[in-house]
Amino acid sequence: QAVLTQPSSLSASPGASASLTCTLRSDINIGTYRIYWYQQKPGSPPQFLLNYKSDSDKHQGSGVPSRFSGSKVASANAGFLLISGLQPEDEADYYCMTWHSSAVVFGGGTKLTVL
Amino acid sequence: QVQLQQWGAGLLKPSETLSLTCAVYGGSFTFSDYYWTWIRQPPGKGLEWIGEISHSGSTNYNPSLKSRVSISRDTSKNQFSLKVSSMTAADTAVYYCARRSAEGGWLFDYWGQGTLATVSS
Repeated sequence: QAVLTQPSSLSASPGASASLTCTLRSDINIGTYRIYWYQQKPGSPPQFLLNYKSDSDKHQGSGVPSRFSGSKVASANAGFLLISGLQPEDEADYYCMTWHSSAVVFGGGTKLTVL
Repeated sequence: QVQLQQWGAGLLKPSETLSLTCAVYGGSFTFSDYYWTWIRQPPGKGLEWIGEISHSGSTNYNPSLKSRVSISRDTSKNQFSLKVSSMTAADTAVYYCARRSAEGGWLFDYWGQGTLATVSS
């Protein structure tokens, strides 16, 4: 089973909010993990959005709007990327990432469609 | 402004070795807060971390690729390189170089433009 699991796709309407999920493998406790989120548009490398470890330990990427925010829910063993006020340009692939056993691990990515 | 520019052979035959180089412009190459990384992405698929090299030259590789991968650096040219041996069709991907920076929590902040490496007989 993969370390990080993401739903393959999500659709939402312009102006609405979207919550993207990144679930950690059940034998790993998300408590001490920092979850990173990257956005990738076709033909371009990924761009860092934000990372989240706790409400007091998080970092927003330079120029990333505040309508992008991160969180973690221990009971779900998952990290979340919340995008509020969806805009057409938010349509992209979103990847979560973390460090596990001294290696970088990416989730499989979620394709967000804004329609 | 930091820029990463990468190059290398794009078409390989099975069993050949992929060689890519990434040049770093506009920033310190040997600063201790940076790691220099390779990441790949098969067509239509997700991202896979290949490995990295530190300011001191120490390396760290993805366990699934470790036996075939080598990352090196040339500090005199501000460049780092990737070699992947015994390439197969499964290694066909866009290969990215990137900088991992301590600022903000060790994130990938600058990326190369990507190089498509295709393995075909």
